[in-house]
Amino acid sequence: GAVVSQHPSWVICKSGTSVKIECRSLDFQATTMFWYRQFPKQSLMLMATSNEGSKATYEQGVEKDKFLINHASLTLSTLTVTSAHPEDSSFYICSAAGQQETQYFGPGTRLLVL
Amino acid sequence: AQKVTQAQTEISVVEKEDVTLDCVYETRDTTYYLFWYKQPPSGELVFLIRRNSFDEQNEISGRYSWNFQKSTSSFNFTITASQVVDSAVYFCALSEASEDFGNEKLTFGTGTRLTIIP
Repeated sequence: GAVVSQHPSWVICKSGTSVKIECRSLDFQATTMFWYRQFPKQSLMLMATSNEGSKATYEQGVEKDKFLINHASLTLSTLTVTSAHPEDSSFYICSAAGQQETQYFGPGTRLLVL
Repeated sequence: AQKVTQAQTEISVVEKEDVTLDCVYETRDTTYYLFWYKQPPSGELVFLIRRNSFDEQNEISGRYSWNFQKSTSSFNFTITASQVVDSAVYFCALSEASEDFGNEKLTFGTGTRLTIIP
């Protein structure tokens, strides 16, 4: 299957700081990238959908000013958690979709806000 | 609205036993896709299968098989002769069909944590 990477895989930060997570499709062009959040022992919840070169579409209840998404190229999308707080601690997963049969998921980024 | 229910939160079986993971879905769409993903302890989601709502044939891939019953809105997953490496959380997911092949929004079930006991 196609390969999607995320960086960093782990991040610990102080409350109030901003954290940027990168999602890259390594061997295909991703016209659409999705960002999910997963709390411990829970399901994946879609946060937003981003299409290359346009603004992201956020799901209901997700603060667009807090979770900034940029999809500047067909292989890279970034999620920035601004002014992070402990309740933002979670496992963030991206997926990328081109013209394959499914989205391909990155390995995830574990964020811990102290 | 779409909804996916995985009623089994945790299952434990002894190695080599067969195990079936249940998935029931709700949708108003006439055309949709169903998926199964595996999430091992590392966290990365592994794609297992995608099934179009018009294709009700059961599918077998090695030790894995899937039973799609449109009449009962179920898409169950069976692992035959289970192995310790099958231990993971398994998610069933649903998406509407769209012209953008592969770009559909996914609605996930809550997952079933499968533990294979050696």
